[in-house]
Amino acid sequence: QVQQQESGPGLMKPSETLSLTCAVSGGSITSYYWSWIRQPPGKGLEWIGNIFYSGNTNYNPSLKNRASISVDTSKNQLSLSLSSVTAADTAVYYCVREMGDYGGRGRWFDPWGRGTLVTVSS
Amino acid sequence: DIQLTQSPSSLSASVGDRVTITCQASQDISMFLNWYQQKPGKAPKLLIYDASNLETGVPSRFSGSGSGTDFTFTISSLQPEDIATYYCQQYDNLLFSFGQGTKLEIK
Repeated sequence: QVQQQESGPGLMKPSETLSLTCAVSGGSITSYYWSWIRQPPGKGLEWIGNIFYSGNTNYNPSLKNRASISVDTSKNQLSLSLSSVTAADTAVYYCVREMGDYGGRGRWFDPWGRGTLVTVSS
Repeated sequence: DIQLTQSPSSLSASVGDRVTITCQASQDISMFLNWYQQKPGKAPKLLIYDASNLETGVPSRFSGSGSGTDFTFTISSLQPEDIATYYCQQYDNLLFSFGQGTKLEIK
């Protein structure tokens, strides 16, 4: 069964660039869309963006072009880069697989990684 | 962009109670609405997809219904292990969005 393991710096300073990696095990990264979703402490879920294994990406406009997602099929992993971080970017970041109808509107997230907490503080 | 509004934001119920959460979409989303359960300190877990389809392995006390703009998530008989926050989610025009969540507590 597919599992994702996110990894990242833990603690960062404002204005730095966040870099996270998601290692996928138990299955291939190919043929699926993969998303990054974040959750600030005590708050709700925010979709950041997604990538198809071929490299096609989509992003949440609310992040104002700060996010960049890439995929490395040879390593079976994907990455997230978020530039110019502030305290508002403090959150648990999840790597999730998209399931459903890629040609339609029925898309959901399953499974989810355990998430990695990133704290931005001076 | 499509907004999802859940209600209530929180609720307290007793073991054995029937619990209902609603999710209203700002536009018609047909049947394309999904529900997740998030227990404290854990990642969300898919419960229901496409409004009413129960994910494999999810107990049958969970159910979903609705179409268009109005959706309902129901727990037929609340169990202590159902304490969690529940989220609805939709996908449209290359964007995903979530409801703000409903925190369920035991009375």
